[in-house]
Amino acid sequence: QKEVEQDPGPLSVPEGAIVSLNCTYSNSAFQYFMWYRQYSRKGPELLMYTYSSGNKEDGRFTAQVDKSSKYISLFIRDSQPSDSATYLCAMRGGSGSARQLTFGSGTQLTVLP
Amino acid sequence: GAVVSQHPSWVICKSGTSVKIECRSLDFQATTMFWYRQFPKQSLMLMATSNEGSKATYEQGVEKDKFLINHASLTLSTLTVTSAHPEDSSFYICSASRLRDFNEQFFGPGTRLTVL
Repeated sequence: QKEVEQDPGPLSVPEGAIVSLNCTYSNSAFQYFMWYRQYSRKGPELLMYTYSSGNKEDGRFTAQVDKSSKYISLFIRDSQPSDSATYLCAMRGGSGSARQLTFGSGTQLTVLP
Repeated sequence: GAVVSQHPSWVICKSGTSVKIECRSLDFQATTMFWYRQFPKQSLMLMATSNEGSKATYEQGVEKDKFLINHASLTLSTLTVTSAHPEDSSFYICSASRLRDFNEQFFGPGTRLTVL
């Protein structure tokens, strides 16, 4: 079993739709949770990070973490064609090799105009 | 701020040759740099972690003699793929983090390596 599971998609939605992206994980030591956006043939770009459980909102993006269920989500409101990319969840523990991230496999999203 | 560059962006080489990839933090000092490998439609797999002035820490299964990492300064790390073979063809991405900033890694644009 992978430490982090993410549905690879592909996911296609019409412009303006609400998008829900999810990851599950098995390592209870993870405390920091990130979402990255990666355009084709480019490096990942950090969208949001959250510490422990809770919600965090930034513009059209909302990140949710439920540590009791080991489940994290990223919601994109009013999705735009420019949001079309691969979205990677990533997480890490809180001490020791704290900087090392474990990534999900990524979900490929296409927002259709 | 927090820009990371990689050079070259793509490289094609013959089997058996060595290829060097550079990763630079352009506007900050990177105490730690990470090297990842990404196959098509797959996630990033951490290869090694390097701290400035010390030896890199390699992940299990990554050959340290094949993937030589040097982090000689606070703004530059290099990955050399020695005696490259077609199975080494992949997308190599570096990231860098700042001193005492555990929460964010800044990623470079990646280097696509094709070994013929």
